[in-house]
Amino acid sequence: LAKTTQPISMDSYEGQEVNITCSHNNIATNDYITWYQQFPSQGPRFIIQGYKTKVTNEVASLFIPADRKSSTLSLPRVSLSDTAVYYCLVGDNFNKFYFGSGTKLNVKP
Amino acid sequence: DTGVSQDPRHKITKRGQNVTFRCDPISEHNRLYWYRQTLGQGPEFLTYFQNEAQLEKSRLLSDRFSAERPKGSFSTLEIQRTEQGDSAMYLCASSSLGAEDSPLHFGNGTRLTVT
Repeated sequence: LAKTTQPISMDSYEGQEVNITCSHNNIATNDYITWYQQFPSQGPRFIIQGYKTKVTNEVASLFIPADRKSSTLSLPRVSLSDTAVYYCLVGDNFNKFYFGSGTKLNVKP
Repeated sequence: DTGVSQDPRHKITKRGQNVTFRCDPISEHNRLYWYRQTLGQGPEFLTYFQNEAQLEKSRLLSDRFSAERPKGSFSTLEIQRTEQGDSAMYLCASSSLGAEDSPLHFGNGTRLTVT
């Protein structure tokens, strides 16, 4: 199983772009990269998923280099409500997923 | 809202009592997962089902824990003889087998406090 490494915490200010990078050196050929957001007392919420290159949706972008050994979640123009823990997961959907400790993002006014 | 539903949201019990939690997944999802999360940590995998079959159990799932998904729809997680170390948030998630890019959809969990 591919292990992931993320920064423990990050600080940002409202309106800034935030980039959170995740390392997954042992990613397997069939693995997807998925990011979740979690607020206190709630379950994780799916943000974005990708396999290679760049994926963009209405809330975030995911950048994956050619070697797929890392990925970067980009949150444009964060607001206070983006303060949460962000988890990077690697795996294929035919197996269970393992969460790391995540990155605690603190957005300041 | 047809998301993953968990019941109850909160449960307080005394040490030694049995507790049971229920999870209703998204209706068309055939995979169902249970995770446990303690304060400040990421969710830890406990077990998962494909339809009614329990395919894998984590070593975290001691003999006091049992999970079922009798008809391949809702699932229950029972903890017998609860211990204070069982206090945690228990999360359920579901996904759709057959799609490699089908992410997990989580409920809001059941928070268990063992006194």
